Amino acid sequence: SQQGEEDPQALSIQEGENATMNCSYKTSINNLQWYRQNSGRGLVHLILIRSNEREKHSGRLRVTLDTSKKSSSLLITASRAADTASYFCATDPYNQAGTALIFGKGTTLSVSS
Amino acid sequence: NAGVTQTPKFQVLKTGQSMTLQCAQDMNHEYMSWYRQDPGMGLRLIHYSVGAGITDQGEVPNGYNVSRSTTEDFPLRLLSAAPSQTSVYFCASSTTGGQDYEQYFGPGTRLTVT
Repeated sequence: SQQGEEDPQALSIQEGENATMNCSYKTSINNLQWYRQNSGRGLVHLILIRSNEREKHSGRLRVTLDTSKKSSSLLITASRAADTASYFCATDPYNQAGTALIFGKGTTLSVSS
Repeated sequence: NAGVTQTPKFQVLKTGQSMTLQCAQDMNHEYMSWYRQDPGMGLRLIHYSVGAGITDQGEVPNGYNVSRSTTEDFPLRLLSAAPSQTSVYFCASSTTGGQDYEQYFGPGTRLTVT
């Protein structure tokens, strides 16, 4: 079964608003990653947060991690139409330095102008 | 660099046929993986490799074989195609040299089994 589960499954917002996506996972992890997928294309890595980190920023992205609750959140601030995509969290339960990731089902974000 | 390339882009097979999905990377990455993505689903790990000559099974390995004879190539073989294998297949590579272990994905192969 899949390790991560994102919530919500779909999210529609206006340009300029913030978008928050949540991810829950099942087993202990060394790190958690977030990826973006545009319209059925290959995934693109956004950000990685390690198990000893609680929060990490990258541009308009903010990721939090709560290992006690086995959950993470991805916040995209000041959303743009170009942020329209599916977003997936991924963990590495095989401990193979990121080569064998387990993905959640994703959140589909739609940003309208 | 071309990054991760996959061929073919599209393929239609009849039930019972076999075929090989090709994946190559020119970044000298040690690690390579195969995933499948079904509609409305995230990616599921089929097989992965941490180096030439070393492969291991992921979440959904049944019906697929892999081998890794070179660092650059990681082909995925469907032994006897079934309609349940209709999916989009993604190959990815990564390296321990990077801090973030990010995976680089190919553009995918859309496979339909009739």
